[in-house]
Amino acid sequence: GDSVTQMEGPVTLSEEAFLTINCTYTATGYPSLFWYVQYPGEGLQLLLKATKADDKGSNKGFEATYRKETTSFHLEKGSVQVSDSAVYFCALTNLNSWGKFQFGAGTQVVVTP
Amino acid sequence: DTAVSQTPKYLVTQMGNDKSIKCEQNLGHDTMYWYKQDSKKFLKIMFSYNNKELIINETVPNRFSPKSPDKAHLNLHINSLELGDSAVYFCASSQDQAYSYEQYFGPGTRLTVT
Repeated sequence: GDSVTQMEGPVTLSEEAFLTINCTYTATGYPSLFWYVQYPGEGLQLLLKATKADDKGSNKGFEATYRKETTSFHLEKGSVQVSDSAVYFCALTNLNSWGKFQFGAGTQVVVTP
Repeated sequence: DTAVSQTPKYLVTQMGNDKSIKCEQNLGHDTMYWYKQDSKKFLKIMFSYNNKELIINETVPNRFSPKSPDKAHLNLHINSLELGDSAVYFCASSQDQAYSYEQYFGPGTRLTVT
């Protein structure tokens, strides 16, 4: 079945550092890929998405490119802020999955001043 | 206006009790979901309804019963609560069940069973 693998956390960074969170997937066909962010005590919020190969999703300074050849969707941000401290989830859905999301295990990011 | 709302936000109860969690979305979406998030933040889908029809029913104890009175509401009833049911439960909705649509999540209900 379809699955998502994310790098383990926590990832601890200083403010203004470069952030990369690796995400790879296993799926048949051409799934849609998503990044969600969960701030402490809150629900998940969509950060960005890509629905076909080579698409780049971007939002709030975050970017991720759908790489079919490496089955990856790595999340990057050039300069993190303390307010980016959260748990980040990579997820996919696929055709005939009835909208069912497969989530990665989540990566906690801690940004220190 | 909150897009996806859940009540209650916190629920503390004893083993063996029956409880319900309510979810409402005002986005006009056709599809709604229930997820369980465990203490390690792992998210697993439990159920999905599309226009009041059950379309996803994962391997969940039959003590859990979803009900969708209309497409804007999806409630979760849990019978005979057990310690292992303690988790955060999230409701979500999407425009429909097509695989390109993002899901919008509610704030979660933290269930603690003692």
